[in-house]
Amino acid sequence: DGGITQSPKYLFRKEGQNVTLSCEQNLNHDAMYWYRQDPGQGLRLIYYSQIVNDFQKGDIAEGYSVSREKKESFPLTVTSAQKNPTAFYLCASSNLRTGKNTEAFFGQGTRLTVV
Amino acid sequence: RKEVEQDPGPFNVPEGATVAFNCTYSNSASQSFFWYRQDCRKEPKLLMSVYSSGNEDGRFTAQLNRASQYISLLIRDSKLSDSATYLCVVNIGTGGFKTIFGAGTRLFVKA
Repeated sequence: DGGITQSPKYLFRKEGQNVTLSCEQNLNHDAMYWYRQDPGQGLRLIYYSQIVNDFQKGDIAEGYSVSREKKESFPLTVTSAQKNPTAFYLCASSNLRTGKNTEAFFGQGTRLTVV
Repeated sequence: RKEVEQDPGPFNVPEGATVAFNCTYSNSASQSFFWYRQDCRKEPKLLMSVYSSGNEDGRFTAQLNRASQYISLLIRDSKLSDSATYLCVVNIGTGGFKTIFGAGTRLFVKA
């Protein structure tokens, strides 16, 4: 079945540690996105990528890094520079053509907690 | 100004009520529009796309007004299971798509 997979579902990080969240899709989508959601809040865009080897900062990129070496994969690294990383992280992908069928599909999310 | 703005609610309505959510967007390069539903501690899922002529899917009706940069969602005959957060979503065409989510409107339907 086609879909988008995030792992792990739950992640605990010690202060000062870098951690990497995985996101893989087999939908053949060009665009991939990372969002952060805090309790009771909406989704905020961290980074997005429209093509392999290219990505752009979203609204809250500081303290995060990404790579897009393969179309299927868009890992997010939460660095020690991110001062408040505890949140629900959502990865999404979508087609990049105009018209219909350009909606975003989401993975099940990763809950990151700093301990 | 946020690129996509929604009334956060919460909306508390009885079963059977009709409820409407509004959303405004600021970027005139916005090309496609959607409503998503998010249940507590889950990922958002597509509820419906929003087309220029307006569209309906059962009890749900979506409208788009490009001149006013405004999107709406109407839910008729609310069910308990409609309780969720409803997210307004806009694809902004800047040589590709940048997908922006509104902060969401919370709906509680009570018996």
